Amino acid sequence: GIQVEQSPPDLILQEGANSTLRCNFSDSVNNLQWFHQNPWGQLINLFYIPSGTKQNGRLSATTVATERYSLLYISSSQTTDSGVYFCAVNAGGTSYGKLTFGQGTILTVHP
Amino acid sequence: EAGVAQSPRYKIIEKRQSVAFWCNPISGHATLYWYQQILGQGPKLLIQFQNNGVVDDSQLPKDRFSAERLKGVDSTLKIQPAKLEDSAVYLCASSLDRAAQYFGPGTRLTVL
Repeated sequence: GIQVEQSPPDLILQEGANSTLRCNFSDSVNNLQWFHQNPWGQLINLFYIPSGTKQNGRLSATTVATERYSLLYISSSQTTDSGVYFCAVNAGGTSYGKLTFGQGTILTVHP
Repeated sequence: EAGVAQSPRYKIIEKRQSVAFWCNPISGHATLYWYQQILGQGPKLLIQFQNNGVVDDSQLPKDRFSAERLKGVDSTLKIQPAKLEDSAVYLCASSLDRAAQYFGPGTRLTVL
């Protein structure tokens, strides 16, 4: 099955700093989503981005499908950005709609 | 628009007991998913429904786990009997066809 690797595994920032999270995947994808899992365990949709670039406030994401990676940018980080960030992909074909998740990046933002 | 609803939020049981989780997807979403998230890992799919039919249950431990989606709306996931390694968060998600998936708050299961 498709493999998803996220880096870095852990990231510690001071409030106001910028960061880039990376997601590499091993095969072509139909669907790619970025999620933020808050301390209460809720998975919050950030982006649905199988290709191209999207922006939402301080967050933006870029997926280069031909090179099999996606980047999540966080600018002017805030303490509320802390949590785990997951990249998840669907490879299509017989995987139907199943999302395969990476191991996540644990982000800690200090005041 | 209401999100995906799940209950209960927390459950503690003894090993070999039974437990059931309930999910109500976003209105109009035909596809419903159950994922299991073990501490420190990303979620993994257990079962996927399209309306009330099973599309993928290849990762469901069928000797102890079962799921149904009667009438193509609500779904129930059951574990009988539970083992210690079933301690995890059980997440329900829904989507329009195979587009973006939206997740509920999850049920945190502890098996003692």
